[in-house]
Amino acid sequence: DAKTTQPPSMDCAEGRAANLPCNHSTISGNEYVYWYRQIHSQGPQYIIHGLKNNETNEMASLIITEDRKSSTLILPHATLRDTAVYYCIVVWGEGGGSQGNLIFGKGTKLSVKP
Amino acid sequence: ETGVTQTPRHLVMGMTNKKSLKCEQHLGHNAMYWYKQSAKKPLELMFVYNFKEQTENNSVPSRFSPECPNSSHLFLHLHTLQPEDSALYLCASSQVPGLAGVNTGELFFGEGSRLTVL
Repeated sequence: DAKTTQPPSMDCAEGRAANLPCNHSTISGNEYVYWYRQIHSQGPQYIIHGLKNNETNEMASLIITEDRKSSTLILPHATLRDTAVYYCIVVWGEGGGSQGNLIFGKGTKLSVKP
Repeated sequence: ETGVTQTPRHLVMGMTNKKSLKCEQHLGHNAMYWYKQSAKKPLELMFVYNFKEQTENNSVPSRFSPECPNSSHLFLHLHTLQPEDSALYLCASSQVPGLAGVNTGELFFGEGSRLTVL
């Protein structure tokens, strides 16, 4: 799987949009971008995933650049409960994660401040 | 509530003890996993079970022994552990692709069992 690069930490003011970047410059054609987050002392939680089109769900939006070498996870109105470590993961095939081959890096620690 | 329940949430054991971690999923999934998360380290995949059959053992020492009696339950049996085995052990489940219906390939994690080996 392609390696991803994320900033180690970010701050965001409560109520503002949190934009979390991820670089995956060696991504291949059938590799999907998945985002998970892990709130302190809990298991990781799936957020969103995409291949090349932008995606939106009730939790977040995912913007993938046209060349697919980077992406941005957007939390439109961050709350204190969004404070967590956010992981950007590249996986072969949409069901690739079902093989348990998610390689979690160190992620970005997002701190939402009042 | 993710539909994946792990017990116990906290466990303290000596190096000579034998204990087990239990995971149960109520999501109708057919694949289950054990992950290990040590302090300041990324999550590490330990074992994968698809349709109750172990399909991956990620070079895990034999002092960790998994058991998957059915698609809803997964155990991790522990014996003669070392202090460096102290970590958060996470169970996850998913629906393996290829079956009828669409799935996103996402994993659903439990809240973990915090293990301390003295």
